[in-house]
Amino acid sequence: DQQVKQNSPSLSVQEGRISILNCDYTNSMFDYFLWYKKYPAEGPTFLISISSIKDKNEDGRFTVFLNKSAKHLSLHIVPSQPGDSAVYFCAAVARGSTLGRLYFGRGTQLTVWP
Amino acid sequence: DTGVSQNPRHKITKRGQNVTFRCDPISEHNRLYWYRQTLGQGPEFLTYFQNEAQLEKSRLLSDRFSAERPKGSFSTLEIQRTEQGDSAMYLCASSIGAGAEAFFGQGTRLTVV
Repeated sequence: DQQVKQNSPSLSVQEGRISILNCDYTNSMFDYFLWYKKYPAEGPTFLISISSIKDKNEDGRFTVFLNKSAKHLSLHIVPSQPGDSAVYFCAAVARGSTLGRLYFGRGTQLTVWP
Repeated sequence: DTGVSQNPRHKITKRGQNVTFRCDPISEHNRLYWYRQTLGQGPEFLTYFQNEAQLEKSRLLSDRFSAERPKGSFSTLEIQRTEQGDSAMYLCASSIGAGAEAFFGQGTRLTVV
């Protein structure tokens, strides 16, 4: 069963505009969330994370928002740049668990066009 | 370079052959994970180690798969009697502890023909 869901397989945005990537989760034990970026033929690269005790975390052009009651998080990229074109994966982990493995969504392909 | 290193980057093998992949984690990281990714899917968890102890194995990891991490340093993932369905990108990641950010290697692309 897919405990982390990214329902939009693709997103196309013009350079300079905002990109919003969405993610939903079902497991209420998840308490830490991460976004990874992946280029073809490479491994995922860590981008930004958020703990469940926060509702927002910013790092430069990237901001992640968490809505625990809705079990929803989103990644905002402002302004979007062509180099941001990649697959973005949302991941979640239950840090209170002794297991600690990451659960991934299926990814969203972001294309930023000039 | 102090990132996670995986070898080989690509492997083509005939069905029925055995293959082994190696992962060298970031040196101070005590957790090491193996994931598998197929086209259109996110990385799927296979197994992980804390130091040399293998703490969890996914149901995806059939008896043909085995992983080791001797002395809590590098890890190997072996697939015996490969099948075409094993074709995928095999990803290794390491982290400094439970729930910390996991850093991935570049992966090993396996093609079974």
